[in-house]
This record gives sequence, C-alpha cells and structure tokens, in this order.
Amino acid sequence: NAGVTQTPKFRVLKTGQSMTLLCAQDMNHEYMYWYRQDPGMGLRLIHYSVGEGTTAKGEVPDGYNVSRLKKQNFLLGLESAAPSQTSVYFCASSYSGGVVNEQFFGPGTRLTVL
Amino acid sequence: SQQGEEDPQALSIQEGENATMNCSYKTSINNLQWYRQNSGRGLVHLILIRSNEREKHSGRLRVTLDTSKKSSSLLITASRAADTASYFCATRRGSTLGRLYFGRGTQLTVWP
Repeated sequence: NAGVTQTPKFRVLKTGQSMTLLCAQDMNHEYMYWYRQDPGMGLRLIHYSVGEGTTAKGEVPDGYNVSRLKKQNFLLGLESAAPSQTSVYFCASSYSGGVVNEQFFGPGTRLTVL
Repeated sequence: SQQGEEDPQALSIQEGENATMNCSYKTSINNLQWYRQNSGRGLVHLILIRSNEREKHSGRLRVTLDTSKKSSSLLITASRAADTASYFCATRRGSTLGRLYFGRGTQLTVWP
C-alpha cells in the first residue's frame, strides 16, 4: 500500500496564479483533510471531507477550494495564489470520524508564492 | 484556533536519557493523540489516549492524561538519536467529526 500520496512535492507560483494539489489514499478511508503548516506553528485545518462528494470548512479556508469527486482523491485548489499562502501543505486521511480516529499523513507539498 | 500547547518548545538531551514533553489544552476532549514529524516529512501517529484513560504505554512511549488539569505528557524512555523529531499533541473534541486540533509542537534533539 502506498498510503497517502501527494503531488506535486514542490511548486513555485507567482502571485495570482492558480494550481491544484492532489491527494490520493489507497486505504479506503472515508475522511480526508487538508492542513497547512507554517514555521513554528502546528497544523491548521483548511478543509476536510467526511465522504465522497462532501466537503466542509476548517479553521483557515479562505483562498482555498476543495473537491472530493472520488473517495480516494481529495483536491485542494488555489484560485489566485497570494504570498500568504506560502506554506507546506499536508493531506491526511482517517478511516472514520469515530473516537479512535488516527490520521495518516502524506509527505507534504512545499509551496512558495512569489 | 489551535487547541494544544506543547511545552517545552525545544528539548535537547543525550542518548539514553528520558525525554518528557507536555501538552495543555483548553476544552473538553474525547481523546488526545501524539504525532511525530521528522524533518521534511509528514506526521506519523504515535499513540492515542482516550479521555477515560489515565496512562498508556507503547514500547518506549508512555502517555499520561489528566483531564482535571487539561494536560498530557509524553515520556520517551532511553532516547535514541533516531528519536530526533518534532512531537505534536492533537485533541479530538466531542462534536467535531474526525477533526483534530494540533499544538505547535516540541522540537526534540537527541545527541549521540
């Protein structure tokens, strides 16, 4: 099993450009999450999904959109990138939202917005 | 807003010593989890303790939870250089379907 994979691993954008980050999991997990991690900070939840076709906002959703058209994939979109979106983005998945719900993380995407 | 706050922010010890990291949180929880992050990598789940548990062990890891003080500690015994990483606590609240709230982490350095 590959677990949780993310593409691309690195990306540099200019302000105003758009891009999509792809997350894929092969564990048949219902729940998927997108986080961002900034220096000296923990992880902050951007958006999450509790199943195919559903999405919900997290702590810092502004400037991002997501889609979960297939159970195994969770896409994070930046419509018009801003320097404040320079960060490392992590995708995670969990089997369910139940009490015992450890999350499995991808390796991250390092995004720089110039 | 972030739920947990780890303490200390950074910890530096020698191999063989024990490492203790603390986590405090603000609201009631269902469970508390600890994750490790090696430099440049994703987070890896270490251990979960439920709100009705007080202590849990896994290999060299020991986690305690004091819900009255809203705090938890992670003890790594007989530390190794390979334990060098950032450690994060994450809390699960009652009504937040699957969502975890992460602290800022403790950077642990274990010197050979």
